[in-house]
Amino acid sequence: SQQGEEDPQALSIQEGENATMNCSYKTSINNLQWYRQNSGRGLVHLILIRSNEREKHSGRLRVTLDTSKKSSSLLITASRAADTASYFCATALNTGGFKTIFGAGTRLFVKA
Amino acid sequence: DTGVSQDPRHKITKRGQNVTFRCDPISEHNRLYWYRQTLGQGPEFLTYFQNEAQLEKSRLLSDRFSAERPKGSFSTLEIQRTEQGDSAMYLCASSSSGGWVGTGSYNEQFFGPGTRLTVL
Repeated sequence: SQQGEEDPQALSIQEGENATMNCSYKTSINNLQWYRQNSGRGLVHLILIRSNEREKHSGRLRVTLDTSKKSSSLLITASRAADTASYFCATALNTGGFKTIFGAGTRLFVKA
Repeated sequence: DTGVSQDPRHKITKRGQNVTFRCDPISEHNRLYWYRQTLGQGPEFLTYFQNEAQLEKSRLLSDRFSAERPKGSFSTLEIQRTEQGDSAMYLCASSSSGGWVGTGSYNEQFFGPGTRLTVL
């Protein structure tokens, strides 16, 4: 089973609005990453947050991590139609190795 | 170096046949990962290599699956006696070791375009 669970499964918003996606996970992690996958294209790394960090920014992206609740959120501000994609959280387990577990993803649709 | 490449991009085969996929990682990356992705789901971890050593293999991988990375560069994933349930996108990714920083090592993964397998 997947380690990460994204919520919501699907999200439809208007261009210019903010989009928030949440991820919950089950076991101790080394870091958590967010990836984007456009329809028919490969996965692209967006941002990584380490287990000792609480918040991180990259352009229009803001990621938070709450290790006590085993959850993370990805906020995309001022969304654009080009942000339409599936977004996945991926957790690198704190097992001494580098196994990365992906969630099922949130499908974001931004209407122009 | 333009990124991770995978070959072929598409493969259609009949049930029972063997198939082999190739992945060429970013040249300076010593870690290589294989994932499988089905429609509407996230990538499922299959296995990963550090240089030529296969360090972890998912329990999802049956004995019909084998992966190699003989010289620590490109990797192959072979599926023997394919079944219809093997139909999926097979993704390869690579990352640098990054060393240990803070609580762990940095392992941003760069993904290839994938090989879409269809088993008839």
